[in-house]
Amino acid sequence: KNQVEQSPQSLIILEGKNCTLQCNYTVSPFSNLRWYKQDTGRGPVSLTIMTFSENTKSNGRYTATLDADTKQSSLHITASQLSDSASYICVVRPMEYGNKLVFGAGTILRVKS
Amino acid sequence: DARVTQTPRHKVTEMGQEVTMRCQPILGHNTVFWYRQTMMQGLELLAYFRNRAPLDDSGMPKDRFSAEMPDATLATLKIQPSEPRDSAVYFCASGLVRDGQVEGKETQYFGPGTRLLVL
Repeated sequence: KNQVEQSPQSLIILEGKNCTLQCNYTVSPFSNLRWYKQDTGRGPVSLTIMTFSENTKSNGRYTATLDADTKQSSLHITASQLSDSASYICVVRPMEYGNKLVFGAGTILRVKS
Repeated sequence: DARVTQTPRHKVTEMGQEVTMRCQPILGHNTVFWYRQTMMQGLELLAYFRNRAPLDDSGMPKDRFSAEMPDATLATLKIQPSEPRDSAVYFCASGLVRDGQVEGKETQYFGPGTRLLVL
C-alpha cells in the first residue's frame, strides 16, 4: 500500500535554530516528491519538487533531500524565523499514470521567540 | 500579483442542499486541481483538469460530486446533495505544464480555500 509518513507530528523550536523534518514513503516507483508549507487558514505553498533522480533541492533557507534507496526525504530549515511556523506536508506522486497523489499528514512546526 | 481566487470563502449549509464552489485559476495556467482537507484525512486530491479536460477524478465520490471547467477562467466543484461528512476546506490549485515538460512536476499555486460546513 502506498503510504507517506511524516515525523515528528509536531515540533517546537527557538527562533534562529535549525530543524529537520522527516518523510518516509513506500510509494514505488514514484515520479516526484514535494514539500509544501501551509500557514494556518491558508492554502499550501510549494517549497520544493524533486524527481526520483534528484537528491537535493534548495529554496532559500529550506533544503530538501531525497534518498531513493531508503525511501526517505527530509526538509531542513536553517536559521528558523517566526514566520516558519506552519504545517509542512510531504506529497509523493506515483510513477504510474492514474495513481493518486499520496499525502503525508504533515508536521506542525512552531517557532518561538 | 497573479493568484488563484476561490468563492465563497466560507459556506454553511444544511444537509441535502446543493453546494457550488468556484475557482478562478491563474491566467494562462492549463492545469487545475481540486483538493479537500480535513483534520482526520489531511489533504486529498479530488480531481484535476488539463486544458479544461478532466484527467483524473478518481478521488471524488461520483454519486454526489461533480467538477467542471465551463471555460479556461472558471472551474466549479458541485456537491449535490451535501452531507455533514463533506464538511472540510476545499482548495483549488492551478499550474502550467509547458510543452515537453514532464507532467506532474509543475508548481501548483493554491487558492485560499472554501471552508464548508454542512449541518
